[in-house]
Formats: sequence, C-alpha cells, structure tokens
Amino acid sequence: DVVMTQSPLSLPVTLGQPASISCRSSQSLVYSDGNTYLNWFQQRPGQSPRRLIYKVSNRDSGVPDRFSGSGSGTDFTLKISRVEAEDVGVYYCMQGTHWPPAFGQGTRLEIK
Amino acid sequence: EVLLVESGGGLVKPGGSLRLSCAASGFTVTNAWMSWVRQAPGKGLEWVGRIKSKTDGGTTDYAAPVKGRFTVSRDDSKNTLYLEMDSLKTEDTAVYYCTTGFRWGQGTLVTVSS
Repeated sequence: DVVMTQSPLSLPVTLGQPASISCRSSQSLVYSDGNTYLNWFQQRPGQSPRRLIYKVSNRDSGVPDRFSGSGSGTDFTLKISRVEAEDVGVYYCMQGTHWPPAFGQGTRLEIK
Repeated sequence: EVLLVESGGGLVKPGGSLRLSCAASGFTVTNAWMSWVRQAPGKGLEWVGRIKSKTDGGTTDYAAPVKGRFTVSRDDSKNTLYLEMDSLKTEDTAVYYCTTGFRWGQGTLVTVSS
C-alpha cells in the first residue's frame, strides 16, 4: 500500500503569515491516464473534512485563493499565503491513484 | 444543494452487526463514486470502502481491515448509500463519514464495546 508522510505534524503560525505543509508518497502518484490524484483536505475542530484541492493544484469551489497546491510525482505541498483564524484545524493529504486511497497522518495548524 | 446525511450509528457489542445509511440529496447516487471513510477517536482519516457509479460498473472495493466483514451498497430508489458492518471489532470504533470526495456528511459514531 502507498504510504503518505506529512511534515510538519504540528504547525504554529502567526496570523497573516504564510504556512506550508509537505506531503510525500512512497510511490509515484501519476496514474495511467496521466493525472495525479493527490488531494488536500481541511478538518476544522468538531467538523467533517472538507476538500480544498484536487489533482495536486485545483482549488475546489468556495476555497479561498490563499490556498494553493503544487508538486509532482511523490512530493507535494499545500501553501497558505496568509493564515487567518478560520484556518485552524488539521490538514490531510490523500492519494487516490492507487487502491486503497491513503491519507497522511495530518498536520495540525494552530495560531501562535 | 448537495447534502449527505448519515444515520444508524450506535453502541454495539463485539461480534455484532450494524447498518449505516447515507441519504443523499441534490444529486443521484447512481451516477457518483461514493465512499465510506472513518475516523477513530482522536485519530486520522481511514478509507473503508467505495462503490463506483453505475456507468463505471457499480463495483465495490474495500480496505484490508474490513474486507469480508463490511459491505457497501446503494438503493437507487431511495438515493441512499449503505454500509453493512458485520463481525464488528473494538477497533472499528469510529465516526463514519460518507463522501463523494468533495461532499462529506456530518458523520455517525459507531462504538464497539462490551
């Protein structure tokens, strides 16, 4: 099975400052159709997960443009250009290229 | 508006069974790939199983820890997804979410304990 490894696991950030989360997969996430099925999810305290980014860099509807995704192959990054209070929560990367889909361990973002 | 509403969670003894439901509105479950994902208390997210859209064959796939014990199905007439869980173990204790990937329900808590 593919293993997804996130870093850091804890991310204290000052309001208005940028934040970056890394995600690495144990195998390439390029599928046979040429797409890379790497998603990012946000889970605010007490809420269900919410998808932010799909196929590496595509923002879902309603997601602020301060969130961006990048990467290729086995290395991926989620960036928040300016952290706001509502961004507190746990962020997960998830690969959907290989069965079973796999999530990273999660990165807890908190306000410093 | 697209909504997913899970129900059916509760307390069950080890070895017992439970059926979770996920009522969908705003779209047709027949036409969507739908999955169940669980989250043990204080832990991360874990994929449980999925069912492909009818046009993609409607087949199901399961994660190793639940294969042979859990079954994903849907009732097109009720626009509802199901997760039938048998031979439950204490380690199956979790909040269970149904999801299209983009849309997630609010989750339903399953507690397996004697």
